[in-house]
Amino acid sequence: QKEVEQNSGPLSVPEGAIASLNCTYSDRGSQSFFWYRQYSGKSPELIMFIYSNGDKEDGRFTAQLNKASQYVSLLIRDSQPSDSATYLCAVNGAGRRALTFGSGTRLQVQP
Amino acid sequence: DADVTQTPRNRITKTGKRIMLECSQTKGHDRMYWYRQDPGLGLRLIYYSFDVKDINKGEISDGYSVSRQAQAKFSLSLESAIPNQTALYFCATSATSQRDEQFFGPGTRLTVL
Repeated sequence: QKEVEQNSGPLSVPEGAIASLNCTYSDRGSQSFFWYRQYSGKSPELIMFIYSNGDKEDGRFTAQLNKASQYVSLLIRDSQPSDSATYLCAVNGAGRRALTFGSGTRLQVQP
Repeated sequence: DADVTQTPRNRITKTGKRIMLECSQTKGHDRMYWYRQDPGLGLRLIYYSFDVKDINKGEISDGYSVSRQAQAKFSLSLESAIPNQTALYFCATSATSQRDEQFFGPGTRLTVL
């Protein structure tokens, strides 16, 4: 079992819809959770972080964390073609000194 | 703007050559990381350093070495490059904290022929 798992996609949604991206992790003691956006050939860009159970909203983005079920999700409301990218989930596990990244979900927003 | 820079941005080399990739940052962060990215495999940690005297191996350190010359500089070396080291290499930094929000450089595309 991978430490951080994501569906590779592609996840295709129409413009204006809500895109829902999911991530599960294996280390129950994980404390910090991050979502990065990566355009093709570019570096990952931090877009959201969440540390506590529940929802955290920032503009069109909402991160959701459920530690009991060991999953974290990212919702993108009013999806735009410019949101088309690969979204990487990253987790800082208990006792670990560096982040563990999932392999990413490719999102395609259709105009 | 405080930033993370990597040199070179692109490099083509031959099998057996020694290669150095350099990373510099003006963010004032004390933690620095080297990752490689291959299609479908996500980001994999090669080495990380929490300060000048603290260097640690990541999950795929074989064939690589690093040097932390100063708080702001962290170099990655391939002592004898091989074709399966062809990848996109990223440097990242973070501030000392349990939260570990990492910020990435623009990447170096390395091709080993």
